[in-house]
Amino acid sequence: AQSVTQPDIHITVSEGASLELRCNYSYGATPYLFWYVQSPGQGLQLLLKYFSGDTLVQGIKGFEAEFKRSQSSFNLRKPSVHWSDAAEYFCAVEGGGSTLGRLYFGRGTQLTVWP
Amino acid sequence: SAVISQKPSRDICQRGTSLTIQCQVDSQVTMMFWYRQQPGQSLTLIATANQGSEATYESGFVIDKFPISRPNLTFSTLTVSNMSPEDSSIYLCSVTTGSGETQYFGPGTRLLVL
Repeated sequence: AQSVTQPDIHITVSEGASLELRCNYSYGATPYLFWYVQSPGQGLQLLLKYFSGDTLVQGIKGFEAEFKRSQSSFNLRKPSVHWSDAAEYFCAVEGGGSTLGRLYFGRGTQLTVWP
Repeated sequence: SAVISQKPSRDICQRGTSLTIQCQVDSQVTMMFWYRQQPGQSLTLIATANQGSEATYESGFVIDKFPISRPNLTFSTLTVSNMSPEDSSIYLCSVTTGSGETQYFGPGTRLLVL
């Protein structure tokens, strides 16, 4: 069965610093991978996704993520964090095929940005 | 993408009552889903809402507790029945469009059961 691990529950960075949020997945084949962001009191917004092809994917708000098959990882990065990036970030995996549409989420990483 | 709205946006309910949550999409979508996000937790898939047939429930969720309807390609409802304080959560509707790989989420319904 698919599973997603986000090892960092809470990360604090200073505004302008770089950011990397970790995500590891467990799945037998290459899954579809997603990063979502949830701001306080809001729903989930899709940041970026990986299906196939170039393993470095660009998303909205200056975020990027790199798929590394050998490490079963899909880490999210941003070179310079803004105060408005403070939110909860969820990594998710979808298996495709018969499980198309079923998203399995990590427990989330809460990002705090210091001014 | 798709524009998704949910009603109500939040509610406070008494235990033993039921609440029906509506999910409306601005365009026809391929698939619709319902998720639960318990306080401080991640999202868990409750069920896939199938148009014109019974929903497909994930392990741990049953139709008697969470009846779901999907009468057409743009609308679905989730009912939380016989509520208890443990049902206090955010309930989110999501949809896929086109070939179905990407999922978009509604704003959620914040439910507090007293």
